Amino acid sequence: KAGVTQTPRYLIKTRGQQVTLSCSPISGHRSVSWYQQTPGQGLQFLFEYFSETQRNKGNFPGRFSGRQFSNSRSEMNVSTLELGDSALYLCASSLSAGGGELFFGEGSRLTVL
Amino acid sequence: GQNIDQPTEMTATEGAIVQINCTYQTSGFNGLFWYQQHAGEAPTFLSYNVLDGLEEKGRFSSFLSRSKGYSYLLLKELQMKDSASYLCAGTNNNDMRFGAGTRLTVKP
Repeated sequence: KAGVTQTPRYLIKTRGQQVTLSCSPISGHRSVSWYQQTPGQGLQFLFEYFSETQRNKGNFPGRFSGRQFSNSRSEMNVSTLELGDSALYLCASSLSAGGGELFFGEGSRLTVL
Repeated sequence: GQNIDQPTEMTATEGAIVQINCTYQTSGFNGLFWYQQHAGEAPTFLSYNVLDGLEEKGRFSSFLSRSKGYSYLLLKELQMKDSASYLCAGTNNNDMRFGAGTRLTVKP
């Protein structure tokens, strides 16, 4: 069974640009959650999608958005990038919504210059 | 909301036992997870507690006291490969929130 796949693995952007990250969950998993990981803050919850609907959202500005497609694949977008957005963005899938065991992808490491 | 606290760093010796504590305040609490994350890798599931008590799984055990908002992860017979970050996470059926993680260094 294939694990959670995130693309791209690494990317470099400049301030003001926008970025789209992709996540393919484990087959059969309908919930996809996104987290931002930085050295000082740990994993910060961004949002969770289940059956194409956003169930919950963390305390991030509106520049951070996401969506989920009918095949459960998910994308997140960050617009008007700031230096502080440099982080590892982790996607996790689970069978059920709202906090079941999470299976993480390797992450997308974003560097904003 | 949820507030989860755990020590930032710990050091232990190969072959020893180490206990990593986690305290939480969360509304509608419905379970406590522990994940392991090696540097540069994705977090992986270690344990889940929803009822009070100790869950044992090989060298790793996890304990939960819901009345005290307290959990710990116990690692026995430490090996060098156990050097990693250990993440405590609480769930309330809405989402899962993580502590900042405890970076464990195992020394020979």
